Amino acid sequence: GDSVTQMEGPVTLSEEAFLTINCTYTATGYPSLFWYVQYPGEGLQLLLKATKADDKGSNKGFEATYRKETTSFHLEKGSVQVSDSAVYFCALTNTNAGKSTFGDGTTLTVKP
Amino acid sequence: DVKVTQSSRYLVKRTGEKVFLECVQDMDHENMFWYRQDPGLGLRLIYFSYDVKMKEKGDIPEGYSVSREKKERFSLILESASTNQTSMYLCASRPTLTGYYGYTFGSGTRLTVV
Repeated sequence: GDSVTQMEGPVTLSEEAFLTINCTYTATGYPSLFWYVQYPGEGLQLLLKATKADDKGSNKGFEATYRKETTSFHLEKGSVQVSDSAVYFCALTNTNAGKSTFGDGTTLTVKP
Repeated sequence: DVKVTQSSRYLVKRTGEKVFLECVQDMDHENMFWYRQDPGLGLRLIYFSYDVKMKEKGDIPEGYSVSREKKERFSLILESASTNQTSMYLCASRPTLTGYYGYTFGSGTRLTVV
């Protein structure tokens, strides 16, 4: 079946540092890929997505590129802020599969 | 923006009670989902619905049922609450089954069963 593997956390960075959170996936067919963010005490929010190979999703300074050859969708941000502290989830949805498959989440803490 | 509203942020119920968790979305989405989120276990799908009166079991349906009588509302029912159902419950919706769209989540209901 489909699966998503995220880099284990927690990740702690200083403000303005570069962020990478690794995500790799296993899926049949051509899934769409997503990053969600969850702030403390809240539900998940869609951060960005990519629906086909080589697509780059971007939002709020975050980027991720759909790499079919390496089955990866790593999340990056050039300069993190304290307000980026949250849990980040990588996910995939296969065409007409109904449900999404989520990674376990990576906790990011950014210190001033 | 699409909004998914869960009726309660926090609930405390007694063991054996019948519990209803309500979820309403306001953008005519066809698909709705119920997940539970537990530390170390990630998000686990309980049930989903792709249309009114239609439902599909997810990965952990035991001890739960669902109801979707209207397109905008998807209810999760704990038939007889147990302490191992203490968890954060997340409702989500999506326009269609097509994988192109991401989910819109509600803010979650933190349920404690005592």
